[in-house]
Amino acid sequence: KAGVTQTPRYLIKTRGQQVTLSCSPISGHRSVSWYQQTPGQGLQFLFEYFSETQRNKGNFPGRFSGRQFSNSRSEMNVSTLELGDSALYLCASSLVGPGSPLHFGNGTRLTVT
Amino acid sequence: GENVEQHPSTLSVQEGDSAVIKCTYSDSASNYFPWYKQELGKRPQLIIDIRSNVGEKKDQRIAVTLNKTAKHFSLHITETQPEDSAVYFCAASKDDNNDMRFGAGTRLTVKP
Repeated sequence: KAGVTQTPRYLIKTRGQQVTLSCSPISGHRSVSWYQQTPGQGLQFLFEYFSETQRNKGNFPGRFSGRQFSNSRSEMNVSTLELGDSALYLCASSLVGPGSPLHFGNGTRLTVT
Repeated sequence: GENVEQHPSTLSVQEGDSAVIKCTYSDSASNYFPWYKQELGKRPQLIIDIRSNVGEKKDQRIAVTLNKTAKHFSLHITETQPEDSAVYFCAASKDDNNDMRFGAGTRLTVKP
């Protein structure tokens, strides 16, 4: 079974631009979560989608948004990029139910200059 | 929302020694507690998990304990090996949704 696929692997953008990251979950997984990982900050929760609906949201500004499609694929968008948005963005998919672990993709490394 | 705290942030042990990482959580409704290992440049991967109806779970050299009353859980690695060197994350979530929150991570170094 194919794992979680994130594209692109690397992105370089300049301040003020916007960016879209893509995530394809494991087949059969309907929940997709997004995390921002920076050195020393661990895994910061952005949001979680299930059945095309955002169910949970972390403490990030409105510049960070996402969506999920009917095939469970998800995209994350960051508008008006700031230098501090430079990070590894990880997507994770899971089944829905008691004790469902997250399965992470390899991430998209975003650098804002 | 849930807040997970993890200690220590760094841990260095000699090969063969044991390592213990501790986490506390704030939401008493949390009932699922996984642990992830992230090697340098790789994705986090699940190594063990425990649900709130169990106090301890073991898988070879790795064990996790949970104290629901005190709202803390711990990862124990025995007979550590150099390949155990990585960053370890604890996490907590509730059954009714997938809002999983992570601790800040522990960088474990096992010296040969």
